[in-house]
Amino acid sequence: QQQVKQSPQSLIVQKGGISIINCAYENTAFDYFPWYQQFPGKGPALLIAIRPDVSEKKEGRFTISFNKSAKQFSLHIMDSQPGDSATYFCAASKGSARQLTFGSGTQLTVLP
Amino acid sequence: DAGVIQSPRHEVTEMGQEVTLRCKPISGHNSLFWYRQTMMRGLELLIYFNNNVPIDDSGMPEDRFSAKMPNASFSTLKIQPSEPRDSAVYFCASSPTTGYTEAFFGQGTRLTVV
Repeated sequence: QQQVKQSPQSLIVQKGGISIINCAYENTAFDYFPWYQQFPGKGPALLIAIRPDVSEKKEGRFTISFNKSAKQFSLHIMDSQPGDSATYFCAASKGSARQLTFGSGTQLTVLP
Repeated sequence: DAGVIQSPRHEVTEMGQEVTLRCKPISGHNSLFWYRQTMMRGLELLIYFNNNVPIDDSGMPEDRFSAKMPNASFSTLKIQPSEPRDSAVYFCASSPTTGYTEAFFGQGTRLTVV
């Protein structure tokens, strides 16, 4: 059972544009929502994370928006750059459990 | 800090052979995870250790897969016998136990079973 659904599967954006990736979860026990970035041949690396007690978190050009009632969260990349081209995964975990449940990933391409 | 170290980076083996993947977590991290990544199924958690003890192995596909963590600085994932459908990238990750902290991933082992 897929507990975290991610869309779109792929995304192409012009340099300077806004990239938006969406995720929806089913398990209301989830209380930690990180986004990971993965470049080819590398392991995923934490980009930004949010707890459900806030609706938005911003770090530089990256922003997470969180809607607890809709059980949805999204990643916004402002002023997208070619160096942002990578695969992005949303994830979720619950309570003291350490395991992350990942979305299916979004391959982002930023055109120069 | 060298990060999470996995070996080998690439492994090609014949169907039926035993395969052992190795992982050295970041020093001081109490939690260790093995993930498998494929195009079809994405990133799947196989098993999770805390303080060297397996906590959740519900993601292990079948009895052909086994994982051990004999000490805080070493873990193995073994497949015996291997099958072509086991071909994937296997990641090891570690994290501190307390708080909502990130999981640090190794660079992965790309396994090809022919």
